This record gives sequence, C-alpha cells and structure tokens, in this order.
Amino acid sequence: GEDVEQSLFLSVREGDSSVINCTYTDSSSTYLYWYKQEPGAGLQLLTYIFSNMDMKQDQRLTVLLNKKDKHLSLRIADTQTGDSAIYFCAERGSNTGKLIFGQGTTLQVKP
Amino acid sequence: DVKVTQSSRYLVKRTGEKVFLECVQDMDHENMFWYRQDPGLGLRLIYFSYDVKMKEKGDIPEGYSVSREKKERFSLILESASTNQTSMYLCASTPDSTYYGYTFGSGTRLTVV
Repeated sequence: GEDVEQSLFLSVREGDSSVINCTYTDSSSTYLYWYKQEPGAGLQLLTYIFSNMDMKQDQRLTVLLNKKDKHLSLRIADTQTGDSAIYFCAERGSNTGKLIFGQGTTLQVKP
Repeated sequence: DVKVTQSSRYLVKRTGEKVFLECVQDMDHENMFWYRQDPGLGLRLIYFSYDVKMKEKGDIPEGYSVSREKKERFSLILESASTNQTSMYLCASTPDSTYYGYTFGSGTRLTVV
C-alpha cells in the first residue's frame, strides 16, 4: 500500500542547516510535496518536486529526491526561529491520485 | 491566490449536538477533502468529494457525514458530537491537474464538552 514515514522531531540551533527526511513506498508516485504548518494554522505548500528530478532549489530550501531508495529530504539553510513548525511530506499516490501524508516532523529552532 | 475558508477557527459544542463545519473555496476546484489532525496521529482523511453531490469515504468516516450541494462548498457534519471528536479539522481543495498539491484552510479547532 501507499505509506509515507517521517521522524517526529528535529531540534537545531538558529543559523544551522536543518534536514528533514521522508521515505515513501509508492515507486510510481509522480509528485512529492513538502508542507509547513505553523502553530494553530492550516498547512501551507512549501515546494514540490516531480519524480524525474533529483533536486530542486528555492531560496533557502533544497529538496533532494532519491527515487531508487524512495527517500525525500528537505534542507533549510540558515534556519531561523520563524522556521519552527511541523513539516509534512506527501506523495501523490499513483492508485488513487490522492495525497498521502507523513506524520509530520516538528522542527524546533533554538536561539 | 486560492483561498480555502473555514467558517470558524474555534468551536465549543456539547456532547450530542449536531455540528456543521463549513468550507468554501474560490478557485473552482473539483476536489475537496476533510481531514482531522490529532497529536501523534498526523492527518487522517474523513471524507472527500470529486464533484458536486459526489462523496467518498476516507479512512475514518464513522460518526461523520458530508454535503456538497455546490462546487465551492463542502460541509462536514457531526450528527451527534462526542468527546472523542475533539480535534483540529482541516479542509483542503485541489483541481484535477495532477501536479497541484492541496490548498488547505486555516483549520477549525473543535472542542466537544
């Protein structure tokens, strides 16, 4: 079946890089996504990557996709306290077309 | 920008009450979804709809129903609210195009007492 796994918690110091990891099971996924959820708010789409790409960069965000290992990562450079949030990885399931979400990784940024 | 609007940010209801959560999107998206989010359990899909008057059960439909009479509006109904339905409820929409992610509303935090 379709499943997405993430670690639950990551703590970094302000100014460091953060790397949030995600693994998925559906090798036919066409698109993979990263969402950010700030406290008490809905999910905001940060970025997405097409499955034929290895990397996508957008300002401080770098997405790496290893399709062979079904591993997706989100790197945030120069992490700021405003980056503290829950980050969700999601894949678009090839069977259903629906997004399958991971459990979310809580990123804590210490000053 | 696409907007998905959920009618209430916070709601407090009594056990046994009928509760309506409303969601409206303004970009003519075909697909709409209702999730609940609980600590440690991530997002769980309750119901979704591919078109007006169409609805499909998600992973946890028990205790809920939905209504989609117009394309822009998707309502979640708790027929008889119970304390275990205390949660954050998130609505989302997406067009049929495959590369689009979902656009989420701000969420409704429902407390059933």
